[in-house]
Amino acid sequence: SAVISQKPSRDICQRGTSLTIQCQVDSQVTMMFWYRQQPGQSLTLIATANQGSEATYESGFVIDKFPISRPNLTFSTLTVSNMSPEDSSIYLCSVGYMNTEAFFGQGTRLTVV
Amino acid sequence: QKEVEQNSGPLSVPEGAIASLNCTYSDRGSQSFFWYRQYSGKSPELIMSIYSNGDKEDGRFTAQLNKASQYVSLLIRDSQPSDSATYLCALNLDSSYKLIFGSGTRLLVRP
Repeated sequence: SAVISQKPSRDICQRGTSLTIQCQVDSQVTMMFWYRQQPGQSLTLIATANQGSEATYESGFVIDKFPISRPNLTFSTLTVSNMSPEDSSIYLCSVGYMNTEAFFGQGTRLTVV
Repeated sequence: QKEVEQNSGPLSVPEGAIASLNCTYSDRGSQSFFWYRQYSGKSPELIMSIYSNGDKEDGRFTAQLNKASQYVSLLIRDSQPSDSATYLCALNLDSSYKLIFGSGTRLLVRP
């Protein structure tokens, strides 16, 4: 499987600010995704990061709040904009590798104060 | 009805026992099924995937899929305290890598 590096691993941010999370993969992958895991909850898909075009967002998530970039097949960023305490979560990058199996980065633990 | 349902647990078993984790799903079009293990504070780790009816074994783990009854299960033989974690059932609907997760079952293996 691919090696997926996410950074930062954690951050504490002031409300109203934005944080950009980076995801770097050690090999080219077709599919990259961003998930959110709220405290005590399971994972929810935010969007599919499409290389060279706008991300595809799931219901309940919008580009203005979670802009995503995917400039090439090994890198993506997720920005959490105008943060509020409700955005405190773990944000996870995922890549599709083969046989529809998906693997996750180590996650970014975000706390908004 | 949730798309993927799991008992939240905790499921408590003694060391050496078989742990049985279950998951049901609502969409008959579901194609692929996965079990992830998540330790506290860590990201999910893929431990099993299963695509067709029947059993699939990998070491101490066996995944079972029954599409007619819409359930998938994970058996862990010879459970160890290090198996204590939350186990997430996941599926995708359309052969993509987009996953729908259950809420997870917390497993506690008592020494």
